[in-house]
Amino acid sequence: EAQVTQNPRYLITVTGKKLTVTCSQNMNHEYMSWYRQDPGLGLRQIYYSMNVEVTDKGDVPEGYKVSRKEKRNFPLILESPSPNQTSLYFCASSFSPGLGSSEQYFGPGTRLTVT
Amino acid sequence: GQQLNQSPQSMFIQEGEDVSMNCTSSSIFNTWLWYKQDPGEGPVLLIALYKAGELTSNGRLTAQFGITRKDSFLNISASIPSDVGIYFCAGLYNYGQNFVFGPGTRLSVLP
Repeated sequence: EAQVTQNPRYLITVTGKKLTVTCSQNMNHEYMSWYRQDPGLGLRQIYYSMNVEVTDKGDVPEGYKVSRKEKRNFPLILESPSPNQTSLYFCASSFSPGLGSSEQYFGPGTRLTVT
Repeated sequence: GQQLNQSPQSMFIQEGEDVSMNCTSSSIFNTWLWYKQDPGEGPVLLIALYKAGELTSNGRLTAQFGITRKDSFLNISASIPSDVGIYFCAGLYNYGQNFVFGPGTRLSVLP
């Protein structure tokens, strides 16, 4: 089954404790992206990757890191989480959007709470 | 950065009614997308629009790419209970590398 998986689905942590949210897709997609969703703000793009070893900032990259060492995986790293990073996070993947394939497949979401 | 506005923010309609919502921006986009999000799940693409003026249907859903390339509309005909959810518009920019989403329209369908 074609899918995007994220782990964990729920996470409660404390300020400053490094964490990683994993994202994996099995559709051989080149493009992967991370979003955060906050009430009233829709989804805001954090980072994206056009292909392996190619990553770039989205609209809200501060406090986050990503890596793309393999095509299928795109982990989101919070080196020192803060309460304002409490949010619902989505990973998404697609074939290259610039080539007319803009259908992103979203993962189920990770709800992160930082106390 | 890029910003999209959606209206209405929320709407309550009776089952069977038609629904109309829109998305506007001060910037031009070359691709407009409409997504639906059910509670507890990620957004799912409903319709993608690639040309100014384009009108595209997907079952009871119809979306249009505004001719100014700064707006888009989504219509749902004969609403049913499973239409309940949040509808997001999104635009693709920066040579197809970045997506920007609107804040969403929350739709409730009353039986």
